[in-house]
Amino acid sequence: QQQVKQSPQSLIVQKGGIPIINCAYENTAFDYFPWYQQFPGKGPALLIAIRPDVSEKKEGRFTISFNKSAKQFSLHIMDSQPGDSATYFCAAVSTSGTYKYIFGTGTRLKVLA
Amino acid sequence: DVKVTQSSRYLVKRTGEKVFLECVQDMDHENMFWYRQDPGLGLRLIYFSYDVKMKEKGDIPEGYSVSREKKERFSLILESASTNQTSMYLCASSSPHGGRNTEAFFGQGTRLTVV
Repeated sequence: QQQVKQSPQSLIVQKGGIPIINCAYENTAFDYFPWYQQFPGKGPALLIAIRPDVSEKKEGRFTISFNKSAKQFSLHIMDSQPGDSATYFCAAVSTSGTYKYIFGTGTRLKVLA
Repeated sequence: DVKVTQSSRYLVKRTGEKVFLECVQDMDHENMFWYRQDPGLGLRLIYFSYDVKMKEKGDIPEGYSVSREKKERFSLILESASTNQTSMYLCASSSPHGGRNTEAFFGQGTRLTVV
């Protein structure tokens, strides 16, 4: 019940394409859903996050779609660029407890020039 | 600029050695985490600390222990290193408050090789 399932494991798109990464969770106590971006040799860094009181959040070219009833959320990258090539992790947090982060297994994205 | 600093980027240790991985944060965060990152397995939580001297086991605590004697420092200890502990280790910290402060900040990682 603590797991966060992430797919796909890897993704290759052409420049300008819209990669979509999906995550699903079981524990309804989760109420904060961040996405982290990791470049080679670096630690993950927060990209965008959403709380379940909204169904969508946009920040620049990055959009999170959230489906509370299905317990699923996804990351869309509009007009993807080669510089977006990185590993992306979704996470789920219960903010009523100790704020422990549970991460998905990661998606390695490659955007071709 | 907020920082989570891990003491080593690369470490090579021998099987059976006791290994210490150190992490320091300068944000006065209550929460600190140790994750292990392996290809295809994502970030797996080893241990979590929500206050000084307080700790909670994560998903894969076997073979590891932790120490948090001061708020800013969280140490991961491999009691007797084994080759299956060869991995990237990531430390993170966060504050248990709402809003933007919920963000977890990561260190740059320590790549440990056990030979």
